[in-house]
Amino acid sequence: DAGVTQSPTHLIKTRGQHVTLRCSPISGHKSVSWYQQVLGQGPQFIFQYYEKEERGRGNFPDRFSARQFPNYSSELNVNALLLGDSALYLCASSLDPEGGLAGEQYFGPGTRLTVT
Amino acid sequence: QQQVKQSPQSLIVQKGGIPIINCAYENTAFDYFPWYQQFPGKGPALLIAIRPDVSEKKEGRFTISFNKSAKQFSLHIMDSQPGDSATYFCAASKHNFNKFYFGSGTKLNVKP
Repeated sequence: DAGVTQSPTHLIKTRGQHVTLRCSPISGHKSVSWYQQVLGQGPQFIFQYYEKEERGRGNFPDRFSARQFPNYSSELNVNALLLGDSALYLCASSLDPEGGLAGEQYFGPGTRLTVT
Repeated sequence: QQQVKQSPQSLIVQKGGIPIINCAYENTAFDYFPWYQQFPGKGPALLIAIRPDVSEKKEGRFTISFNKSAKQFSLHIMDSQPGDSATYFCAASKHNFNKFYFGSGTKLNVKP
């Protein structure tokens, strides 16, 4: 079975530009979460979506937005990029966020974003 | 404010040793505590997880010890191998699983 997939693998953008990152969850998983991992630190929660609705939001500015599609894939959008947005962006999927062990999250390989 | 504090930042052990990584939390609403293993260039992989109703959980060479009164939990790796060299993250979540809080990570180096 395919795990969580993310695209692109790497991305280089210039300050002020916009970026869209994509995630496909494990087949059958209905929840997708997005995390930002700065080098040398643990992942920081950005968003969680379940059944196309936002279920949770972390302490990130409004420049960050996301959505989930009917096939449960998801996009993370970041506007007006800053140098500090350079990080590994991780997507995690789970079966059901309130389903006990079904809430366990499985991560994709991430998208490495570099802002110059 | 960091919800989950992890230590040490780095750890070096000899093959066969038992590295121990510790985490502490403040929010008593947390009731799910997973550990993740991350290799360079990869996403974190779920290793083992525990709930506060048990004090210990073993899966293969990995053991979680949980102290609810102290609000601490730790990961023990038995008979460590060079292939265990990776960064380990603890995390915590409330029962609704809508947000996971991660520790800052421990870089483990197991020497042959």
